[in-house]
Amino acid sequence: RKEVEQDPGPFNVPEGATVAFNCTYSNSASQSFFWYRQDCRKEPKLLMSVYSSGNEDGRFTAQLNRASQYISLLIRDSKLSDSATYLCVVTPSNDYKLSFGAGTTVTVRA
Amino acid sequence: NAGVTQTPKFQVLKTGQSMTLQCAQDMNHNSMYWYRQDPGMGLRLIYYSASEGTTDKGEVPNGYNVSRLNKREFSLRLESAAPSQTSVYFCASSERATIPLHFGNGTRLTVT
Repeated sequence: RKEVEQDPGPFNVPEGATVAFNCTYSNSASQSFFWYRQDCRKEPKLLMSVYSSGNEDGRFTAQLNRASQYISLLIRDSKLSDSATYLCVVTPSNDYKLSFGAGTTVTVRA
Repeated sequence: NAGVTQTPKFQVLKTGQSMTLQCAQDMNHNSMYWYRQDPGMGLRLIYYSASEGTTDKGEVPNGYNVSRLNKREFSLRLESAAPSQTSVYFCASSERATIPLHFGNGTRLTVT
């Protein structure tokens, strides 16, 4: 079983829609969680960290469910510029060996 | 502020050839990493350097060597390239463990 699993998508949504997707992880000792964004053929860039109580950054909301071992990302009022692949990243505390999901592709259409 | 700089951006090698991928960061980060990214798979850690003077194997180290030349620079060497090493390679740095990574632009390597 992979350490981090994501639905590859693609999620095709119209502008203005809400889209949400999850990422499951297998290591119950995982302590740090992040969402990265990767545009086609570019490097990944940090979108947001995920905190235990959940957190919001503008139109983006991240949640952590430790009992079921998944994190989620919700994008409200989707923009064309949100089209990208979203990578889930999980790691035990103070560990250099981050585990990356393969990514969920989101395409926002006009 | 350049961040993390990788060279070259593209490279084509023949099986058995060697090459070194260069990476430098100007953020005074302690930790540096080399990842490879293949279609349908997450980024996989090849090697990392927690701090200057140390290097450790990641998930997929076979066929690669690394050198942490100084705090700024971390190179990845393929001694005898194989088609299975065709991939996109990303260098990254972070202040310390679990702190979000800053990635370079990537090197697209094709081994024929």
